[in-house]
Amino acid sequence: DAKTTQPPSMDCAEGRAANLPCNHSTISGNEYVYWYRQIHSQGPQYIIHGLKNNETNEMASLIITEDRKSSTLILPHATLRDTAVYYCIVRPEYQGAQKLVFGQGTRLTINP
Amino acid sequence: GAGVSQTPSNKVTEKGKYVELRCDPISGHTALYWYRQSLGQGPEFLIYFQGTGAADDSGLPNDRFFAVRPEGSVSTLKIQRTERGDSAVYLCASSRPPGQGTDTQYFGPGTRLTVL
Repeated sequence: DAKTTQPPSMDCAEGRAANLPCNHSTISGNEYVYWYRQIHSQGPQYIIHGLKNNETNEMASLIITEDRKSSTLILPHATLRDTAVYYCIVRPEYQGAQKLVFGQGTRLTINP
Repeated sequence: GAGVSQTPSNKVTEKGKYVELRCDPISGHTALYWYRQSLGQGPEFLIYFQGTGAADDSGLPNDRFFAVRPEGSVSTLKIQRTERGDSAVYLCASSRPPGQGTDTQYFGPGTRLTVL
């Protein structure tokens, strides 16, 4: 079973920041938080990951709470092309089972 | 550089037939994964290779499913006696070797398998 909980759907206006929450209250100390997204009929696309510090790249920012029990993915200026299902996943890096366990994700719709 | 590629992109077969799905990982990636995604669901893990050997095949649903990676690069997922319930998108992902940076998994576009 997935170790994360996400809202099933969210809407955001084009040009605004999209903030996607994720709860991972049972996360272990060696587990990273990964975010992927899947645009219709495509394979999952890696967005960002982090352990405990906030991270930023060209696609998004990841804010992890101090107790690491939840995180937020931020798309700073959402476009129509950001409409997708977003998955939050926790997994250890280079330890034991390497598989990704996907939940249902959040279906984000960007509205014009 | 080139990403993960999968062929065919679509495969339609009849119940009871045998199918092979191919995955070409990113060059230099020693780890390769297969996932299956049913309509409306997130991807589900099938099998993971580190080099030529299957390090974890716990996700294969039954003995009709088998995967190989004989030279540590290209992998083939083989399904015998296909059933209608095998209809899904089959996804492949690859990642770098341990010690060469993050082991982030990068996915291919998938093969959509339809069993009639």
